[in-house]
Amino acid sequence: AQKITQTQPGMFVQEKEAVTLDCTYDTSDPSYGLFWYKQPSSGEMIFLIYQGSYDQQNATEGRYSLNFQKARKSANLVISASQLGDSAMYFCAMRPSGYSTLTFGKGTMLLVSP
Amino acid sequence: DAGVIQSPRHEVTEMGQEVTLRCKPISGHDYLFWYRQTMMQGLELLVYFNNKAVMDDSGMPKDRFSAKMPNASFSTLKIQPSEPRDSAVYFCASSLGPGGPNMRYTFGSGTRLTVV
Repeated sequence: AQKITQTQPGMFVQEKEAVTLDCTYDTSDPSYGLFWYKQPSSGEMIFLIYQGSYDQQNATEGRYSLNFQKARKSANLVISASQLGDSAMYFCAMRPSGYSTLTFGKGTMLLVSP
Repeated sequence: DAGVIQSPRHEVTEMGQEVTLRCKPISGHDYLFWYRQTMMQGLELLVYFNNKAVMDDSGMPKDRFSAKMPNASFSTLKIQPSEPRDSAVYFCASSLGPGGPNMRYTFGSGTRLTVV
């Protein structure tokens, strides 16, 4: 079975600082995709970034980057230069190649202070 | 593109009543998913469709939940009879395909269901 673990229930960061949100996963499938989503207090789920297990480089999307360490089965999200609008719940998700659905972690609440 | 459209945004109903949640996926997306989000369980997959056919409904309580996709642009999730434990946010999501970044979900805004 697939499992996603986000060990940080909450994180605090000051505006303009960088923050890393942890995500580890467990799968026996050699091919898989990793995703991060943001859920602000308004409730919608917003896609942030995708990493394929065979991608040679770590994914980046603007201020978001994914620190992918395949041997350690970790896919940490790095947010550079935090902004107040980054305060939200962040979910890590995975899809092994033999599946059509995403499995989500429990999430990490990020609070950005001025 | 208007994105994934869910209705209603909020629903308050009495225990025992029937509730119908609606979803319009993004045009051209072959996959449609229904998830339920609660504080205790997080995001749980209830059911998903591929090209309008149910592929997996093992996460759905069959005695009271039913899901349909009569055409490529419309899906419903029905709860009958509703119970207080069904109170949650229900998300509909769609995706283009099963592989790689195409697997990226686009979520609707969700329906917050409260059963009293």
